[in-house]
Formats: sequence, C-alpha cells, structure tokens
Amino acid sequence: VHLFESGGGLVRPGGSLRLSCAASGFTFSDYAMTWVRQAPGKGLEWVSSIGGSGVITFYADSVRGRFTISRDNSKNTVYLQMDSLRADDTAVYYCAKVFAIGYCFGGTCYGPPDYWGQGTLVTVSS
Amino acid sequence: DIVMTQTPLSSPVTLGQPASISCRSSQSLEHSDGNTYLSWLQQRPGQPPRLLIYKISNRFSGVPDRFSGSGAGTDFTLRISRVEAEDVGVYYCMQATQFPHTFGGGTKVEIK
Repeated sequence: VHLFESGGGLVRPGGSLRLSCAASGFTFSDYAMTWVRQAPGKGLEWVSSIGGSGVITFYADSVRGRFTISRDNSKNTVYLQMDSLRADDTAVYYCAKVFAIGYCFGGTCYGPPDYWGQGTLVTVSS
Repeated sequence: DIVMTQTPLSSPVTLGQPASISCRSSQSLEHSDGNTYLSWLQQRPGQPPRLLIYKISNRFSGVPDRFSGSGAGTDFTLRISRVEAEDVGVYYCMQATQFPHTFGGGTKVEIK
C-alpha cells in the first residue's frame, strides 16, 4: 500500500487549496479513505472520511461547510477541497486508508486508519 | 462527540523495562455490533502515525508482540513489555466506534 499526498502550501486566510492523495497497492474502490491533520507540535485530529463509492461522507465540526472530501476511483485518488481557510487550519494533512474491520453501511466497512501517507503541510498565513 | 483522555502525558522509561499508557473515553466504545473500536497508534519522531492495535487487543500486521492492549467499555491500556530504543515516540488512542472519530491527546514515551 502506498499513499502520496500533494497540494499543500502557503495560502492566505480566506483562501482555498485542494489536496490530493494518490493511492496504490490495493483495490481503491473497496475501501473508505480518511484525512487526519496535525497542527505543528500538536496531536492528531480526524478531519473527514469518505465511503468507497464516494456517496457517503463524514466531517469534523471544525471543517464542516468549508471542506469537501471526494474521490475519483478511476484515478485511485481522494481529494480534500479546503475553502475559507483559517489560521487554525495550519497543519500537516495525512491521507489514510481505512481498515475495513468495522461496521459496514452503504457498501463500505469502516474502522481505524491502517496505512498512512507521509503528509502534506498546509500553512494559512497572511 | 466522544472525548478520549490519555495518561500520563509523558513516560520516561528505562530500556528493557515495561511501559503502560492509559486511555479513558467519555462514553462506552462498545458498538451496537458488539465490537469495541478502540485502537492504538504510534508516531515516531518525524514520521506519520502507524497503527499498532485495533479492537482493543489485536496487533496489526508486523507489530511486535511486546505491544499489547487490554480494556473494555471506557477504560483501556497499552502495554509495552520491554521498551526498546525504536519505541520512542508519541502514542495515541483512537475511537472509531462513532463519527466523528476522535484521538487522545498523546503520550510521549522517552528513554531515561
């Protein structure tokens, strides 16, 4: 399993950024995917998850209405569109594959993240 | 949202000695399907997190057997039977029983 995030960078408050995560080594459409972030020197924060078909999505309250998770199963890629960015969105954003050992609905099983990418840094600053 | 609380914040350990980390959830993590989706992750310095334990006590692929998990309901423990130098890092508990998934604040394991 290999996950590679891209799209991070420096953006001004109120701006937008789209993160991408290219996956390989597993049947991408069979698994939910998740984004987790880590502010500098801080702990882990779950951001969003998406089911295998892309229909079912979940968001943390801190990003709901501003971030949109999506996926393109033909490209084995998951995205995180981030709008109305704020200084407290500054973090390393990790993409992770979901370990399908849990409850299932909508054709996808959910659980903790089992494989992680190396992360991409998003800095929101004027 | 389920709040995950870890103790201690830091755990200085002598090489070869055991270490123990506690995690408490604000409500039971038992899912309606009968499973408890409590996991432990390790983050070595400068690295992404790595899944160690899932469903309280199951070691993930490739995880050494010196790592073990236990607990039930709202109280869980990660034990390292004999700490090695490569175990230095921050350990997080995480619940995937319900969305939003939540992490504990982390416990730093360091060598004395």
